[in-house]
Amino acid sequence: SQKIEQNSEALNIQEGKTATLTCNYTNYSPAYLQWYRQDPGRGPVFLLLIRENEKEKRKERLKVTFDTTLKQSLFHITASQPADSATYLCALDLFSGGYNKLIFGAGTRLAVHP
Amino acid sequence: NAGVTQTPKFRVLKTGQSMTLLCAQDMNHEYMYWYRQDPGMGLRLIHYSVGEGTTAKGEVPDGYNVSRLKKQNFLLGLESAAPSQTSVYFCASSLGDPIFNEKLFFGSGTQLSVL
Repeated sequence: SQKIEQNSEALNIQEGKTATLTCNYTNYSPAYLQWYRQDPGRGPVFLLLIRENEKEKRKERLKVTFDTTLKQSLFHITASQPADSATYLCALDLFSGGYNKLIFGAGTRLAVHP
Repeated sequence: NAGVTQTPKFRVLKTGQSMTLLCAQDMNHEYMYWYRQDPGMGLRLIHYSVGEGTTAKGEVPDGYNVSRLKKQNFLLGLESAAPSQTSVYFCASSLGDPIFNEKLFFGSGTQLSVL
């Protein structure tokens, strides 16, 4: 069956460093992958989308890579700030039941310390 | 522009009681979704709708029913609540089919406890 894995352990880093989060998947061939940010008590908020034919995507301090051979996406936050502390979710499209849907990983909590 | 609005925000039920969660979106989105989020398990899709009058089952549909009588509203019903349905429920919407790279817009969630 399809599976999405994100590091369940929290990632603790110092302010100013680069945070790197990992999303691995098995038994999928997604057309694209999305990353969301979720703050405590709030719903997820869309950050970035990367398609299968794109190796890398950037938005301000955010960078996402997508390696369909390794079945892995890396999410980087450069010059991290305490305000970046949140849980980050990856999501992949899945075609089943005649429709496309987004399937989410469990998320990785990032804590940026001053 | 409110986006996606969920009501109620919190609810406590006794086993066997029923309730309906309401989701409303003002973005004229075609697709709407109900997810539940449990610790360590991420977001799991319960039911979804690809347009007014349509509904379909997601990954974990048992014990839930949905209706999409109006394009802007998507209702999630629990006919006989069970403790296993204690969770945080999120509604989301998208402009169209995710195959076209559509992102999801989420509500702020409903925390449901079933005792």
